[in-house]
Amino acid sequence: ETGVTQSPTHLIKTRGQQVTLRCSSQSGHNTVSWYQQALGQGPQFIFQYYREEENGRGNFPPRFSGLQFPNYSSELNVNALELDDSALYLCASSLAPTVTLLMNTEAFFGQGTRLTVV
Amino acid sequence: AQTVTQSQPEMSVQEAETVTLSCTYDTSESNYYLFWYKQPPSRQMILVIRQEAYKQQNATENRFSVNFQKAAKSFSLKISDSQLGDTAMYFCAFPSGFQKLVFGTGTRLLVSP
Repeated sequence: ETGVTQSPTHLIKTRGQQVTLRCSSQSGHNTVSWYQQALGQGPQFIFQYYREEENGRGNFPPRFSGLQFPNYSSELNVNALELDDSALYLCASSLAPTVTLLMNTEAFFGQGTRLTVV
Repeated sequence: AQTVTQSQPEMSVQEAETVTLSCTYDTSESNYYLFWYKQPPSRQMILVIRQEAYKQQNATENRFSVNFQKAAKSFSLKISDSQLGDTAMYFCAFPSGFQKLVFGTGTRLLVSP
């Protein structure tokens, strides 16, 4: 157990709907990153939040948005769902936004939310 | 752009045997980390081992070790004395721009009795 929890674990939505996924980061971690993992693929970086601000974004359209709260928990919102959005969504928390050589800033992952769009 | 390549989609090994998973990467950076993550059926990514590029000594964590060849940009994972619980997807990963992890496509490892 890493201390990173995601909810819900599974979700089924209809094309065109909106969805919100939640992540509770490990105690003391101020950085949350979200990844999309399509079936049979490695995770792809969506974006990162550091101290409530977006700190970097991957190649995902604006309908993917996020929030980070003062307690450093986070939400991933996806609007106008498409069939290709069906994937496992992983949240990872860390002590800092960078992987430094001076401190252990490894990312700890949650168990993911399996989203199915029909 | 940094890329990570895992050329073995699936590997099989019997219990107690040794298996090596391959990974190659491309980067222009000189100091960086490399990681191997394990993703069991429970879906949670678990860090198995990490290597610091400025260290010549290969990292070792119990039954897991790496063969890091910086010039060849190769980073393979060796699992000794394989156990049934090692059955999982294994991903090689590289931090890009210090903000995100770039993952390979993974290798599915099946350990059989």
